[in-house]
Amino acid sequence: AQSVTQLDSQVPVFEEAPVELRCNYSSSVSVYLFWYVQYPNQGLQLLLKYLSGSTLVKGINGFEAEFNKSQTSFHLRKPSVHISDTAEYFCAVSGLMGGKLIFGQGTELSVKP
Amino acid sequence: GAVVSQHPSWVICKSGTSVKIECRSLDFQATTMFWYRQFPKQSLMLMATSNEGSKATYEQGVEKDKFLINHASLTLSTLTVTSAHPEDSSFYICSATRTSDHLTSYEQYFGPGTRLTVT
Repeated sequence: AQSVTQLDSQVPVFEEAPVELRCNYSSSVSVYLFWYVQYPNQGLQLLLKYLSGSTLVKGINGFEAEFNKSQTSFHLRKPSVHISDTAEYFCAVSGLMGGKLIFGQGTELSVKP
Repeated sequence: GAVVSQHPSWVICKSGTSVKIECRSLDFQATTMFWYRQFPKQSLMLMATSNEGSKATYEQGVEKDKFLINHASLTLSTLTVTSAHPEDSSFYICSATRTSDHLTSYEQYFGPGTRLTVT
């Protein structure tokens, strides 16, 4: 069985500051890892994904994440956030055959001016 | 490409009535579609997985007779909430995986969601 833990439910940060949203996962098999963003009353948009290869993954909107197998982590980072980055962020895993996505609890990023 | 739509985007219904939500893949064929439910300030919970032409697979605790899922074509899946009650009020989101490329079959494309309010 797989599980995902997002360590922070809320992250307040000032505009132009760096941010890290933490995600740890648990799985007995290899997984694919994803970060999604959800704006209020909208569906999910894929920010980035890790499938294989380089452990540093770059996504849209200036976000990046690093896969750390030994620490079973996939933390999301952005060097300088904007007001428009205010949203809910979800980390998710799936097995290598695809199918079911297991989501973390979500992290609410609030960017203040 | 890979756009998923949902209709309606929001719906209000009276307790005891049934509501149908449509999920369509607009520019690709979707072998598999997923239905999620999301309560305010909470994560997405998978309700069921539907494959075109076969019965949906429901997650534990989800009432299959209450949440009827039909995946009649490669571009359309429907979720019908039967005899809706106020506790069914939620945000329902569907997603789909693309048939054309098995190498990307793991990736889910999400619809914009449907807000259901039962009064």
